[in-house]
Amino acid sequence: DVKVTQSSRYLVKRTGEKVFLECVQDMDHENMFWYRQDPGLGLRLIYFSYDVKMKEKGDIPEGYSVSREKKERFSLILESASTNQTSMYLCAHSGDRMGQPQHFGDGTRLSIL
Amino acid sequence: AQTVTQSQPEMSVQEAETVTLSCTYDTSESDYYLFWYKQPPSRQMILVIRQEAYKQQNATENRFSVNFQKAAKSFSLKISDSQLGDAAMYFCAYRSANNYGQNFVFGPGTRLSVLP
Repeated sequence: DVKVTQSSRYLVKRTGEKVFLECVQDMDHENMFWYRQDPGLGLRLIYFSYDVKMKEKGDIPEGYSVSREKKERFSLILESASTNQTSMYLCAHSGDRMGQPQHFGDGTRLSIL
Repeated sequence: AQTVTQSQPEMSVQEAETVTLSCTYDTSESDYYLFWYKQPPSRQMILVIRQEAYKQQNATENRFSVNFQKAAKSFSLKISDSQLGDAAMYFCAYRSANNYGQNFVFGPGTRLSVLP
């Protein structure tokens, strides 16, 4: 079975805190993604990475950064959390072969107070 | 840039009946892949079905099938013999085959309720 582990299911932080969301995959896949999911807006891509230390901005990168020091781990960082970053965060990964689907983690529901 | 539209924010179906969820997309590419994902309440998003644009035959997975109309850029999902466990958010997604292909584009989702 494909396994994607996100470090927390639920997380509550305060405005201004630095927040780390971790994602680990066991498929040795090159591509990893961070999405934000909000009602009525679907999934919006924050950042993706196609290799170790490589990253590309998605549609809504402002206020976020990422780190990929090892192939299996992709971290999302909220540099200074704000209330408008309260959301569900989904990590996903996919292989490089054309047409391969994405595999998702359980998601982290993040609340910023 | 590609876009994916799901015009039905919510739908409901009676248990054992058939329901069709709509998806349209906009692209100038000729080679791509389309997916339907299912996200049950508070659970992981999982792949339901996949379609390759160069294949004319519609994909089928057990009770799930698609109606892929390439010229119309339409990719609807049909669920037959609906079960209570089919209740979920359903997302349509597009993946390009003409570039490095990392990026996926998702629709806004359709929330499906199954009535007993």
